[in-house]
Amino acid sequence: DQQVKQNSPSLSVQEGRISILNCDYTNSMFDYFLWYKKYPAEGPTFLISISSIKDKNEDGRFTVFLNKSAKHLSLHIVPSQPGDSAVYFCAASETGANNLFFGTGTRLTVIP
Amino acid sequence: DTEVTQTPKHLVMGMTNKKSLKCEQHMGHRAMYWYKQKAKKPPELMFVYSYEKLSINESVPSRFSPECPNSSLLNLHLHALQPEDSALYLCASSQVPTYEQYFGPGTRLTVT
Repeated sequence: DQQVKQNSPSLSVQEGRISILNCDYTNSMFDYFLWYKKYPAEGPTFLISISSIKDKNEDGRFTVFLNKSAKHLSLHIVPSQPGDSAVYFCAASETGANNLFFGTGTRLTVIP
Repeated sequence: DTEVTQTPKHLVMGMTNKKSLKCEQHMGHRAMYWYKQKAKKPPELMFVYSYEKLSINESVPSRFSPECPNSSLLNLHLHALQPEDSALYLCASSQVPTYEQYFGPGTRLTVT
């Protein structure tokens, strides 16, 4: 049973515009959320995270929003750049656990 | 040094072979992880070592045998694998306790 879901397998965005990637989760015990970026033939690279005590975290062009009541988080990339083209995974964990639960990923293509 | 290294990058092995995958990190992390990733799927956790002790084994078949010789090294010993075990094997490490895991580039394994 997939506890973390990314319902959009792919997304195409024009360079300079905003990219919004969405993620939903079912386990209410999750209290920490992360976004990873993955290029082909490479391991996932940590991008940004958010704790459940916050509803927003910003790092440069990347902002993650958390809506706990809806069990939904999103990653905003502004402005999008061609180098952002990759597969983005969201992941979730709960306090005290060592494992991350990953979503199925969204392939972002930024068109120059 | 913020890198997790994995060797080899590619491995082709027969079903009767014995081989090992290696992972190394020098970030002082005390948790290390093995994940398996099939095409178009999220990474799936296999094993977690915390302070060089196996803390999580996600019901992985015994043909996969992990080993953590010291806090910087993690091995995955492979024996009598099946073709369906062909996948990208990812190693990760993290502080304890923390949630951000740092991934290596992976070993692409093909079982013939």
